[in-house]
Amino acid sequence: QQQVKQSPQSLIVQKGGISIINCAYENTAFDYFPWYQQFPGKGPALLIAIRPDVSEKKEGRFTISFNKSAKQFSLHIMDSQPGDSATYFCAAEETSGSRLTFGEGTQLTVNP
Amino acid sequence: DTAVSQTPKYLVTQMGNDKSIKCEQNLGHDTMYWYKQDSKKFLKIMFSYNNKELIINETVPNRFSPKSPDKAHLNLHINSLELGDSAVYFCASSQDAGWGREQFFGPGTRLTVL
Repeated sequence: QQQVKQSPQSLIVQKGGISIINCAYENTAFDYFPWYQQFPGKGPALLIAIRPDVSEKKEGRFTISFNKSAKQFSLHIMDSQPGDSATYFCAAEETSGSRLTFGEGTQLTVNP
Repeated sequence: DTAVSQTPKYLVTQMGNDKSIKCEQNLGHDTMYWYKQDSKKFLKIMFSYNNKELIINETVPNRFSPKSPDKAHLNLHINSLELGDSAVYFCASSQDAGWGREQFFGPGTRLTVL
């Protein structure tokens, strides 16, 4: 049973476009939502994270939008660049901590 | 200096063998993890140790046995390897086991069981 559902599985965007990746969850005990970025042959690395007391968080070209009532959150990458091509994972954690539940991942390709 | 390192990077072995993967972190973190990433890139936690104490033990076959000799090291030993164990195994660490802690991942060990 997948607790965090992520879509799309793969995404192709032109340089300069907007990439949008969506995640949905069922467990209402989740209250920390990070996004991790993974390049081929590397381990995942934290990109940006949000807590449910805010509806949006922006860091440079990366924005998380959070909808608590719908139990959904999404990653927006503005002005997408070829260097953004990677696999993106959403994740969720309960207040009890220490256990991240990951989505299935989205392979993003940004064409030059 | 690599923050979280794993050895070996690649491991190719026959079914039935026993193998170990080593992990070390130089971040001074208290908590370490093992994750398995399958061929579809799905990441799933296997184990977590906090100050050398096991705090998360997911439904992993008991052929997998983690060992933490000290806070900076977490090793994974796998007995009687099976074809389905082929995956990339990631070690990670975080400051502690608290909520909302960033996890720092190692480069991964690609295990192939023939």
